[in-house]
Amino acid sequence: DQQVKQNSPSLSVQEGRISILNCDYTNSMFDYFLWYKKYPAEGPTFLISISSIKDKNEDGRFTVFLNKSAKHLSLHIVPSQPGDSAVYFCAATGTAYKYIFGTGTRLKVLA
Amino acid sequence: GAVVSQHPSRVICKSGTSVKIECRSLDFQATTMFWYRQFPKQSLMLMATSNEGSKATYEQGVEKDKFLINHASLTLSTLTVTSAHPEDSSFYICSASKGSMNTEAFFGQGTRLTVV
Repeated sequence: DQQVKQNSPSLSVQEGRISILNCDYTNSMFDYFLWYKKYPAEGPTFLISISSIKDKNEDGRFTVFLNKSAKHLSLHIVPSQPGDSAVYFCAATGTAYKYIFGTGTRLKVLA
Repeated sequence: GAVVSQHPSRVICKSGTSVKIECRSLDFQATTMFWYRQFPKQSLMLMATSNEGSKATYEQGVEKDKFLINHASLTLSTLTVTSAHPEDSSFYICSASKGSMNTEAFFGQGTRLTVV
């Protein structure tokens, strides 16, 4: 039972354009959501997070949007840069403190 | 952000032997640490949650006798893969949380285990 899903395994975007990565969840008890960036053979690096009391959080080129009614969140990267190429995981957590990860989306930013 | 160090980054061992992986939080006290396993091109699968001073909580399907977790201090958790088999070969990643709600978890660099 995959509680956090990223339905797009890969995404290619031209440099300078917007990258939109999507994530869906099923557990309504999740109240905190995070995005991580991961390179091969390395641990994930935290990017940005959002609490369920908000619907948007922005940090530089990264913006996360949360739609609680749809149980959907997205990460927008604008403008996309070649260095953004990596695998992006969304994660969700709740009162149990466990962090549940999605399946990941491989982003490729083309120069 | 906070620093979590995982050691070793890479280990090869023979079938039947045991391997210990260490996870340390270098600049904060981690009341909760998590151990994940990642198969190629798949997500990070949570194996267990360890709380300092108490027994780890294992996810369904994870053998607690095979994957021994010890969280002896607020800065160190260890995962021991006992009697390793080739199917245990994987990428293991730890993460640490400061324990308060709505905070990010910080990840170690991961350990690539190969059992031959």
